Amino acid sequence: DAGVIQSPRHEVTEMGQEVTLRCKLISGHNSLFWYRQTMMRGLELLIYFNNNVPIDDSGMPEDRFSAKMPNASFSTLKIQPSEPRDSAVYFCASSLQGVDGYTFGSGTRLTVV
Amino acid sequence: QQPVQSPQAVILREGEDAVINCSSSKALYSVHWYRQKHGEAPVFLMILLKGGEQKGHEKISASFNEKKQQSSLYLTASQLSYSGTYFCGPYLLISSGSARQLTFGSGTQLTVLP
Repeated sequence: DAGVIQSPRHEVTEMGQEVTLRCKLISGHNSLFWYRQTMMRGLELLIYFNNNVPIDDSGMPEDRFSAKMPNASFSTLKIQPSEPRDSAVYFCASSLQGVDGYTFGSGTRLTVV
Repeated sequence: QQPVQSPQAVILREGEDAVINCSSSKALYSVHWYRQKHGEAPVFLMILLKGGEQKGHEKISASFNEKKQQSSLYLTASQLSYSGTYFCGPYLLISSGSARQLTFGSGTQLTVLP
């Protein structure tokens, strides 16, 4: 299995631009989590899905952030418009049923200038 | 609602032992432990589902005391490869009986020196 696949690995964009981060789950996993990691705030849970349905999006910082799961194996996290304070490493993780161990993707390092 | 980890950082010599603690102000359903090396993604170590349960992984084990709302990670005879940041990730027990993912603790940076 290729594991959880995230793209792009690095993204540098200008303030105000739209950014889309992508994640492919491990086949057979039915829970998907988006995290953001910074030195100041650590690993923050943004949103998670069970069986393609968003269960808890209370961690999404503001309306500029949106996440979708158009099918069982793929998810996107969109930031529009992006701001410098959005700069962070964004991880997605998947698991089976949401209570087993999570497998994290390699992350997307986002820099907004 | 972020769980509290202690210590924040620890430096060991190879072969020494360490304990990392994780505590929550809320009732816990279960606890995950992860290790993250610099520039890499967190890697799952173990999950503890029952109060008082202990599990092991190599020379790394953990305990979970649901009454005290605490979990501890024990690293025995540490190896250089154990260096990294360790995170606990508790599941919060909510009144309806279902569990809800809680955000991860702030992390404990472990450095093992030769």
